[in-house]
Amino acid sequence: DAGVIQSPRHEVTEMGQEVTLRCKPISGHNSLFWYRQTMMRGLELLIYFNNNVPIDDSGMPEDRFSAKMPNASFSTLKIQPSEPRDSAVYFCASTSRPTEAFFGQGTRLTVV
Amino acid sequence: DQQVKQNSPSLSVQEGRISILNCDYTNSMFDYFLWYKKYPAEGPTFLISISSIKDKNEDGRFTVFLNKSAKHLSLHIVPSQPGDSAVYFCAASRKLIKVTPLVFGKGTRLSVIA
Repeated sequence: DAGVIQSPRHEVTEMGQEVTLRCKPISGHNSLFWYRQTMMRGLELLIYFNNNVPIDDSGMPEDRFSAKMPNASFSTLKIQPSEPRDSAVYFCASTSRPTEAFFGQGTRLTVV
Repeated sequence: DQQVKQNSPSLSVQEGRISILNCDYTNSMFDYFLWYKKYPAEGPTFLISISSIKDKNEDGRFTVFLNKSAKHLSLHIVPSQPGDSAVYFCAASRKLIKVTPLVFGKGTRLSVIA
């Protein structure tokens, strides 16, 4: 199993540009989570999906952030427009059972 | 309001000694607790977990202890090895019935010195 796959691994963009982060969960997993890691806040949940349906997006910081899961094997997190304070590592995780979640390697986003 | 707190940002331990990482939580509805390990430029990986019906779970060199009355858990690593140097995240969730998101602490950076 390839695990959770995220792309790109690194993204550097200018303030005001649109950024799209991508995630392919582990096959068979029906729950998907987007987390953001910063020094100040640690790992914080942004949004999660069950069976492709968004369940809780209360962690999404602003309307500039949006996430979709068009099918069981793909999800995107979009930031439009991006700002320097969005710079962080964004993780996608998936699971199929109420125990541990499996994380991708993350996307390091830098907004200049 | 942080529901899961790791109050020590960093910890240094000599190789061969015991490492003890601590975690406190505030939400009494949490019934499942996990520790994740994270190396630089990698995603967090699951290390060990414990259900609220237990007070101890052991896996090789790693033991997690849960004190529900104190809302406190700890991870013991014995003996500590240089390869254990990483950031350790404590996480909690409500796992009674269905999948719910993990709530993480801010992490503790462990350095094991040879």
